[in-house]
Amino acid sequence: AQSVAQPEDQVNVAEGNPLTVKCTYSVSGNPYLFWYVQYPNRGLQFLLKYITGDNLVKGSYGFEAEFNKSQTSFHLKKPSALVSDSALYFCALVMDSNYQLIWGAGTKLIIKP
Amino acid sequence: GAGVSQSPRYKVAKRGQDVALRCDPISGHVSLFWYQQALGQGPEFLTYFQNEAQLDKSGLPSDRFFAERPEGSVSTLKIQRTQQEDSAVYLCASSLVEADEQYFGPGTRLTVT
Repeated sequence: AQSVAQPEDQVNVAEGNPLTVKCTYSVSGNPYLFWYVQYPNRGLQFLLKYITGDNLVKGSYGFEAEFNKSQTSFHLKKPSALVSDSALYFCALVMDSNYQLIWGAGTKLIIKP
Repeated sequence: GAGVSQSPRYKVAKRGQDVALRCDPISGHVSLFWYQQALGQGPEFLTYFQNEAQLDKSGLPSDRFFAERPEGSVSTLKIQRTQQEDSAVYLCASSLVEADEQYFGPGTRLTVT
């Protein structure tokens, strides 16, 4: 069965430091991978996606993610965290020719001034 | 262009009342999804439309839940005889094609008293 794991419920980072939010997946085949962010009392916002090609994907708000096929990971990164990055982050995948997103449980990112 | 919009943003219903939640997807998006989200958790799939066809309603919790998209654009999620356990945020999302990034509306927070 397909699954997405976000092993950390919460990540705490000091402002200005690099941040990483981890995501691993388990599928048979080649997935399309996504990161979404949810600010308090807001809907989910698309950040970035990986379909094929360059393993390093750049997205909105200075975020990037690295696809690692051998480790089945798609970690979200940012070189310098901002307090405004504090939010709930979700990793998700969908298989080609399918439609149903498989979601991770979410990671709460807290950036401290 | 305009994103996905949902109305109402907040709805309070007395137990046993019927409610209707509206979703206006991004113009031209073929795929439309409804999700239910509990606080701090990932979205739970409810149903999927491709144009006006409801291709998957496997996530609808009971036969009190009904969704339609009669002209392939606006969609309505209807809940009959609401129960307290129906209290949640209902998210609508649309995508250009099925295995593509989904764009979410702000959600409707339903509270059943």
